[in-house]
Amino acid sequence: KNEVEQSPQNLTAQEGEFITINCSYSVGISALHWLQQHPGGGIVSLFMLSSGKKKHGRLIATINIQEKHSSLHITASHPRDSAVYICAVGGGNKLVFGAGTILRVKS
Amino acid sequence: DAGVTQSPTHLIKTRGQQVTLRCSPKSGHDTVSWYQQALGQGPQFIFQYYEEEERQRGNFPDRFSGHQFPNYSSELNVNALLLGDSALYLCASSGGQAGYEKLFFGSGTQLSVL
Repeated sequence: KNEVEQSPQNLTAQEGEFITINCSYSVGISALHWLQQHPGGGIVSLFMLSSGKKKHGRLIATINIQEKHSSLHITASHPRDSAVYICAVGGGNKLVFGAGTILRVKS
Repeated sequence: DAGVTQSPTHLIKTRGQQVTLRCSPKSGHDTVSWYQQALGQGPQFIFQYYEEEERQRGNFPDRFSGHQFPNYSSELNVNALLLGDSALYLCASSGGQAGYEKLFFGSGTQLSVL
């Protein structure tokens, strides 16, 4: 079993839909990161959280430390949200990454 | 303010050769980490450099080595290349006022080993 599991692996949504991506982990962590990766490799850090909930624009990230689970929500999805979303856990720079969720939003 | 820059962007090598990848961290950052991302998989941690020393290492063989310079830039060296070393190599930096938890990634170096 991988230390970080993401679901779903692939997700296709219609523009405007509410999207949820889940992340479960089995290791102790000091922080959980949600990252976005576009074709070509560039990775952008969306959120870093160790408890509770964070919101940035149409993106919301939550974490439940007791259940070792986090969710990334996208409200009013748009085709430009199409990317790979990666959950990573750990401390400092030594992160353990999930395999990613490939999101495609159709117009 | 330039972010994390990596060079080269693409590289083709043959089995047995050696390769050096370079990373310049975001201005103000003093810690650099390297990751390997195989096609269709999440990145895997290779190692982290701080104060010119390797501080943490992932599960990678000694063929993978690195260096950090006084200006905080870093190199990743891979010796005796194998076909399985073909991957996207990502560099991330942190530190300074932004702290050590938030990472900034470069666009990566795509290495192909033939």
